[in-house]
Amino acid sequence: ETGVTQSPTHLIKTRGQQVTLRCSSQSGHNTVSWYQQALGQGPQFIFQYYREEENGRGNFPPRFSGLQFPNYSSELNVNALELDDSALYLCASSPETGGAFFGQGTRLTVV
Amino acid sequence: AQSVTQLDSQVPVFEEAPVELRCNYSSSVSVYLFWYVQYPNQGLQLLLKYLSGSTLVKGINGFEAEFNKSQTSFHLRKPSVHISDTAEYFCAVTAWSGNTPLVFGKGTRLSVIA
Repeated sequence: ETGVTQSPTHLIKTRGQQVTLRCSSQSGHNTVSWYQQALGQGPQFIFQYYREEENGRGNFPPRFSGLQFPNYSSELNVNALELDDSALYLCASSPETGGAFFGQGTRLTVV
Repeated sequence: AQSVTQLDSQVPVFEEAPVELRCNYSSSVSVYLFWYVQYPNQGLQLLLKYLSGSTLVKGINGFEAEFNKSQTSFHLRKPSVHISDTAEYFCAVTAWSGNTPLVFGKGTRLSVIA
């Protein structure tokens, strides 16, 4: 039990639609990060928020966006979904001492 | 920038045998190192981490890893594996500077054979 919860656990969307994934981080962890894990691959960093501001971004297009809220929850939004967006999306919260605690992930399937 | 290479994509091993999963990293700055385990259809669970101090790090489920700065390696070991250790294992690195993201290897699939 990591204290990080994600919703929903599974989701099916149609190409071109928009999706919002949600994460509730551990209390006191000011950093939240989102990762995309394609089938058979390691997680790839999408972006990171620290105290509600984005402070790092991986190689993902602007249609991937996010928000972090004061209550340690966060969102990942993806617009204009493409088939290649099908993946497991992982949320992680980090203490100041480093490392990350991951949620169970949201499995997104784009058809 | 950091990078991680996990040298074996799949490692089959018999139950109660020892296992070593290899991980090498590249970085121009000092790093923290991690091993995570992922069971089917689940998220990542932290096995162990190296932040500083002793280079031999002990984690959960009987796993340990040794940080070798000269060889830029952080291999994961377990002296006797169980069927329940069958999973995907990921090595990850992050720079010492604050709030940098984790960079993961591609993973090693450990299959324990009865």
